[in-house]
Amino acid sequence: KAGVTQTPRYLIKTRGQQVTLSCSPISGHRSVSWYQQTPGQGLQFLFEYFSETQRNKGNFPGRFSGRQFSNSRSEMNVSTLELGDSALYLCASSLGHLNDYGYTFGSGTRLTVV
Amino acid sequence: DQQVKQNSPSLSVQEGRISILNCDYTNSMFDYFLWYKKYPAEGPTFLISISSIKDKNEDGRFTVFLNKSAKHLSLHIVPSQPGDSAVYFCAASGGNTPLVFGKGTRLSVIA
Repeated sequence: KAGVTQTPRYLIKTRGQQVTLSCSPISGHRSVSWYQQTPGQGLQFLFEYFSETQRNKGNFPGRFSGRQFSNSRSEMNVSTLELGDSALYLCASSLGHLNDYGYTFGSGTRLTVV
Repeated sequence: DQQVKQNSPSLSVQEGRISILNCDYTNSMFDYFLWYKKYPAEGPTFLISISSIKDKNEDGRFTVFLNKSAKHLSLHIVPSQPGDSAVYFCAASGGNTPLVFGKGTRLSVIA
């Protein structure tokens, strides 16, 4: 079966712009979580959606937002981009909140802000 | 406040030897622990997990040990192979909280 698909794979934006990243979970998975990975910081939790509802939110400014559609696909948006937003953004899906296999991650979207 | 800590940023091991990766946590509400492996330009892939009711879980060359009283877990890889070279992340969860990840340990297995 198809894995978690994230688009685009790479993105270059300038400061002040806004960006939308997309994530298609594994078929049948209803939970989607987003993480930001920066060098030396590991994976920082952004938000989690389950059945179109935001279930958890990490400690990020309001410039970071997300949503989930009825087909479980999810998008995250970052407005007024800053240089520090340059990172690998990872999406993960699971059947529920957490099953015995944890999350399945996509390959990520590498965002570079210049 | 870092709830999951991987204090060794890197580790080098000879091929065929044991690799031991360590992880400490501070939140006593965590009851489920996972290890992920990550190659460059790919997302993390699930390796092995353990719940707090166990102190050991084994899957082939990979074994995870949990010491709840010390709030410590470790991943043992025996024997280590060059293909194991990657960044390893420890993660923890409790109740309905999302996974909290450590900063990762870069393992290099030298042939």
